[in-house]
Amino acid sequence: DTGVSQDPRHKITKRGQNVTFRCDPISEHNRLYWYRQTLGQGPEFLTYFQNEAQLEKSRLLSDRFSAERPKGSFSTLEIQRTEQGDSAMYLCASSPNRGRNDEQFFGPGTRLTVL
Amino acid sequence: EDQVTQSPEALRLQEGESSSLNCSYTVSGLRGLFWYRQDPGKGPEFLFTLYSAGEEKEKERLKATLTKKESFLHITAPKPEDSATYLCAVQAPFRDNYGQNFVFGPGTRLSVLP
Repeated sequence: DTGVSQDPRHKITKRGQNVTFRCDPISEHNRLYWYRQTLGQGPEFLTYFQNEAQLEKSRLLSDRFSAERPKGSFSTLEIQRTEQGDSAMYLCASSPNRGRNDEQFFGPGTRLTVL
Repeated sequence: EDQVTQSPEALRLQEGESSSLNCSYTVSGLRGLFWYRQDPGKGPEFLFTLYSAGEEKEKERLKATLTKKESFLHITAPKPEDSATYLCAVQAPFRDNYGQNFVFGPGTRLSVLP
């Protein structure tokens, strides 16, 4: 399978705990995005990498959230001191850098439940 | 601020009953408008990209069109397997040659009954 993969698919944690999610993009894609999606809403942009550089970070993103993409390959999203409001689907997407061809390919998501 | 709204929120169609979904947007300098399909519990699946007013794209029973303020997704003779949430997103212009931001609408939940 050459699509975007995410791990884990589901995560249940207690409030105050730290969690980390992993995303493996399509291998030749150098752009990687993280989104958060709650029920009945569209994905909300969190952050964007071009290769290993984090170029954009949503102003709405709490400082409890951090993302990395070492060596421009896989990426991790960490949430520290989780809160119940962090419960959501966390989506990763990647896209090639082919000029105007900016369509994103999404992974299956990681569903986070904070108790 | 870049904004995207979609209507209707939900739509129920009989199989074969054609209809259209609307995506209205406000963005300073549209770089691209995207349509995605999302099935429950899955990530969005790319359908179309539109770049300029007047552009149209087709794929099977779906046709997307774009004006300066909105986009339509026309569904012709839908089948039950077309049931999904359809998401619209706009891409904001580059900032400093690197910035990118995609703003998604809330989606339209389509149900096609046999």
